[in-house]
Amino acid sequence: GQNIDQPTEMTATEGAIVQINCTYQTSGFNGLFWYQQHAGEAPTFLSYNVLDGLEEKGRFSSFLSRSKGYSYLLLKELQMKDSASYLCAVYGGNKLVFGAGTILRVKS
Amino acid sequence: EPEVTQTPSHQVTQMGQEVILRCVPISNHLYFYWYRQILGQKVEFLVSFYNNEISEKSEIFDDQFSVERPDGSNFTLKIRSTKLEDSAMYFCASTFLLAGGETQYFGPGTRLLVL
Repeated sequence: GQNIDQPTEMTATEGAIVQINCTYQTSGFNGLFWYQQHAGEAPTFLSYNVLDGLEEKGRFSSFLSRSKGYSYLLLKELQMKDSASYLCAVYGGNKLVFGAGTILRVKS
Repeated sequence: EPEVTQTPSHQVTQMGQEVILRCVPISNHLYFYWYRQILGQKVEFLVSFYNNEISEKSEIFDDQFSVERPDGSNFTLKIRSTKLEDSAMYFCASTFLLAGGETQYFGPGTRLLVL
């Protein structure tokens, strides 16, 4: 079966750091992706992890532990434009399986 | 920067009608996908397509759905007889490789409303 869990909503303050967690149980694993999605728009790629550890990309970092079925997305120096839904997705069997997404609200 | 494009951006149809959603993947990409997202819900995989064949499909992708690559550039999703529950945003995606961190690039989506 496929199960991907992430918190439904989070709120953080402009300039702060926020960590969005994702746990997964999937039948196949060829990597974990994080996408950002603004309301009414397509998902846009943020990061990819296939090996354990931290991948850093500007203000965004993503961590993966395959043995724990766990990932997180870290957003630093939050900006108002970071208010969006953040989607954790596992790639396996030639498809992406998405979590329900975490709505992040950034307040001033 | 190359993009996946989709037409139309919005489509309204009557229940029971056929709809065709069109996508132009990025030109050198080899793997093509359709996903859908019902309002307020998660993105769901429908079908993947490679080398002119379906490589995988989900339970959602029943006999009412079909995909086609009619020429070298377009990739279409047909819904033969639409139902109210087909109302959703439909995203096309494409990728060059299957692995190695190659991300799937998503088109802007077609919002389908079935009345």
